[in-house]
Amino acid sequence: AQRVTQPEKLLSVFKGAPVELKCNYSYSGSPELFWYVQYSRQRLQLLLRHISRESIKGFTADLNKGETSFHLKKPFAQEEDSAMYYCALKIGSQGNLIFGKGTKLSVKP
Amino acid sequence: GAVVSQHPSWVICKSGTSVKIECRSLDFQATTMFWYRQFPKQSLMLMATSNEGSKATYEQGVEKDKFLINHASLTLSTLTVTSAHPEDSSFYICSAYDPRQGGGYTFGSGTRLTVV
Repeated sequence: AQRVTQPEKLLSVFKGAPVELKCNYSYSGSPELFWYVQYSRQRLQLLLRHISRESIKGFTADLNKGETSFHLKKPFAQEEDSAMYYCALKIGSQGNLIFGKGTKLSVKP
Repeated sequence: GAVVSQHPSWVICKSGTSVKIECRSLDFQATTMFWYRQFPKQSLMLMATSNEGSKATYEQGVEKDKFLINHASLTLSTLTVTSAHPEDSSFYICSAYDPRQGGGYTFGSGTRLTVV
């Protein structure tokens, strides 16, 4: 069955510390994965997708098919990175997204 | 960039009444839109996929007669919660597929529905 797992509900780090938000997926087809971010009182925004291999706001994520993971990383967290982060998997012919439960990142000063 | 407008942002209604939520793509044509429901402190759950000019595809466990979806134009999809009950209170979010983004999705700001 298709599934996206984000094991951490909450991740708290200090400013300047490295951050890794974990995401694992289960999908029999060729995966297409995304990270979305939701800042307080704002809508979901695309952070990055594995196909583009971009680095947005200092975040990167590499698809590891062997480990079925797509962890989100940033070497030096900033306070403005505090938000909810959702990992999502695109499935189906119509492009449905399955979301993980989300990880709340809290960056302390 | 692509913009999806969702309206209203919040609504309070009495049990038994119906509520319509609109989702508009402002600067692109969206043949496919998605409706999600988000419970407090939980993830987004896909309810249905809305296709312009055809019937929506509902996810398992979602009542078609309860959550009516209409996608009559390339820029507008509506979700009507019929005969609302308190358990329908939730945060509803729409999303549209924007082919200009190379396969990206743009989300509305959501609608907080409270049924009293």
